[in-house]
Amino acid sequence: AAGVIQSPRHLIKEKRETATLKCYPIPRHDTVYWYQQGPGQDPQFLISFYEKMQSDKGSIPDRFSAQQFSDYHSELNMSSLELGDSALYFCASSSGQGASYNSPLHFGNGTRLTVT
Amino acid sequence: AQKITQTQPGMFVQEKEAVTLDCTYDTSDPSYGLFWYKQPSSGEMIFLIYQGSYDQQNATEGRYSLNFQKARKSANLVISASQLGDSAMYFCAMREGLMEYGNKLVFGAGTILRVKS
Repeated sequence: AAGVIQSPRHLIKEKRETATLKCYPIPRHDTVYWYQQGPGQDPQFLISFYEKMQSDKGSIPDRFSAQQFSDYHSELNMSSLELGDSALYFCASSSGQGASYNSPLHFGNGTRLTVT
Repeated sequence: AQKITQTQPGMFVQEKEAVTLDCTYDTSDPSYGLFWYKQPSSGEMIFLIYQGSYDQQNATEGRYSLNFQKARKSANLVISASQLGDSAMYFCAMREGLMEYGNKLVFGAGTILRVKS
């Protein structure tokens, strides 16, 4: 079965640079979520999109922005990178129809961002 | 307030024995779902099992079962016949039915499980 595809798998950037992470949800999934997981921590919710509109916002820094495109893929744009942005970034998807809380989020393998 | 609490930072279990990972949650929403995810050292997040707030029976998926005690707001994961490949971080998570769609998952701090041979 098709899964959530994230690219790149690994990314190394320097401070103050920009990074773009991409996410391709499972086919027919219309909701995308972004999470940030620091070393030894639980995943923290950043932002989500349903049908290309932002549906919820968590602890996403102002330096980050995201969008969902017409083909439902999503991109997380990160500017003015800081050392503290080094983390594993997950994208997850779900079907929004009639399943507001009782279906799991399916996660991609994550993008490991290292800021030096 | 913490929505999901996992009080066991780390657990050891002997191979082939059963182990229970604790999870308590806090919500005032009558509609919610509880989930367990496994995260091996390679980093991927693997969905294991789901329990809905209106489900009368405890969920089971192969060697995984969820001990759901609604009045106590607990949703413990039971792994039977532990295998070496079960060594990983385990997260308990919740989705509340606050919105019509797109409700996020909120995670607990996780429990590291080590299976000994």
